[in-house]
Amino acid sequence: DVKVTQSSRYLVKRTGEKVFLECVQDMDHENMFWYRQDPGLGLRLIYFSYDVKMKEKGDIPEGYSVSREKKERFSLILESASTNQTSMYLCASSPAGAWKPQHFGDGTRLSIL
Amino acid sequence: DQQVKQNSPSLSVQEGRISILNCDYTNSMFDYFLWYKKYPAEGPTFLISISSIKDKNEDGRFTVFLNKSAKHLSLHIVPSQPGDSAVYFCAASGEETSGSRLTFGEGTQLTVNP
Repeated sequence: DVKVTQSSRYLVKRTGEKVFLECVQDMDHENMFWYRQDPGLGLRLIYFSYDVKMKEKGDIPEGYSVSREKKERFSLILESASTNQTSMYLCASSPAGAWKPQHFGDGTRLSIL
Repeated sequence: DQQVKQNSPSLSVQEGRISILNCDYTNSMFDYFLWYKKYPAEGPTFLISISSIKDKNEDGRFTVFLNKSAKHLSLHIVPSQPGDSAVYFCAASGEETSGSRLTFGEGTQLTVNP
């Protein structure tokens, strides 16, 4: 059974902290994505990666960075967390050539206090 | 500005009836459209897609219709089942290879009552 696993379901952090959200997929997919989901706004792409060490900015990359050191792992980093980054974060993956995000993780609900 | 809009935040239908979820878009460059389904506490799953060269795509109980002149697409579920209760997101892209630029709607919560 294919799986995208996000390390935390719920996370509470403080303003100014550096926050790491981890995502691991076991399908050997080349493409990985980070989205955030907010009420009334749908899903918005933060960053995506199409290969190890490769990354591209999505629609709302400000305040975030990513790391893809291994094919199966894609990390989202909040350099200095702010309250407006309180959100549901969703990781997704897809194989090369199947460009749309196919498999999503269950999400991490992040609260910044 | 919201380029993909799902104007109904919620929809309730009886089991066995048709569910129709609607989605409007403003960007005429969009030419590929997808629907995702999301259960509570789970990530979205891809449901069905349609390219702008078609006006209909069917997969079992699910059919997506595209009206390019009206910039409108809809998802029909027939017959609706209680297990279909979920949030449905429509999404659009300007090119088939630009999955990185999917624009999602806000989602519609579908409830199918037994």
